[in-house]
Amino acid sequence: DQQVKQNSPSLSVQEGRISILNCDYTNSMFDYFLWYKKYPAEGPTFLISISSIKDKNEDGRFTVFLNKSAKHLSLHIVPSQPGDSAVYFCALRAYNNNDMRFGAGTRLTVKP
Amino acid sequence: DTEVTQTPKHLVMGMTNKKSLKCEQHMGHRAMYWYKQKAKKPPELMFVYSYEKLSINESVPSRFSPECPNSSLLNLHLHALQPEDSALYLCASSLRENYGYTFGSGTRLTVV
Repeated sequence: DQQVKQNSPSLSVQEGRISILNCDYTNSMFDYFLWYKKYPAEGPTFLISISSIKDKNEDGRFTVFLNKSAKHLSLHIVPSQPGDSAVYFCALRAYNNNDMRFGAGTRLTVKP
Repeated sequence: DTEVTQTPKHLVMGMTNKKSLKCEQHMGHRAMYWYKQKAKKPPELMFVYSYEKLSINESVPSRFSPECPNSSLLNLHLHALQPEDSALYLCASSLRENYGYTFGSGTRLTVV
């Protein structure tokens, strides 16, 4: 039962360009959406989030977009930097629920 | 202190051994979690403690036994594990009102 899907296992982008990571979900009960970034041998670190009442949230180089009707979430990184190279997980949570569901992750490589 | 600390970072154990993984946070978070992550897979929820009480057990085998002795500590006791239990075990915590998790860096467990 894959409720959260990240269909691109990997993405390669040139430094300075935009990185777009995508996430699709099936359960409309999710109402809080997060992106985590993970380096090898480390735990995931929280990056940015958005609640279902918004369609965009921006924090510096990172912007998360939410399309509820399409059940689609995306993370834009612009400009991309080599230090952004990591695995990015989208994570979805239902209101007042301690359980988060993670996508399979997308490995982003930003080339100098 | 804004970290979740996990010890040990690496653990190799035999199938007849008993060992424990430890997790500590001093952020006043009242929800704590154990996740298991296999290579190239997203984190999978194992247990959730809310206000030191077990609130979610995701059908985890009894050879994994969680314990929450106080609001800052979370243990995972291991006994008679199988080689397929080898994975990265992640601890996380969150404020009840905060929908983002803070993850520890994980314990890399190898069962031989």
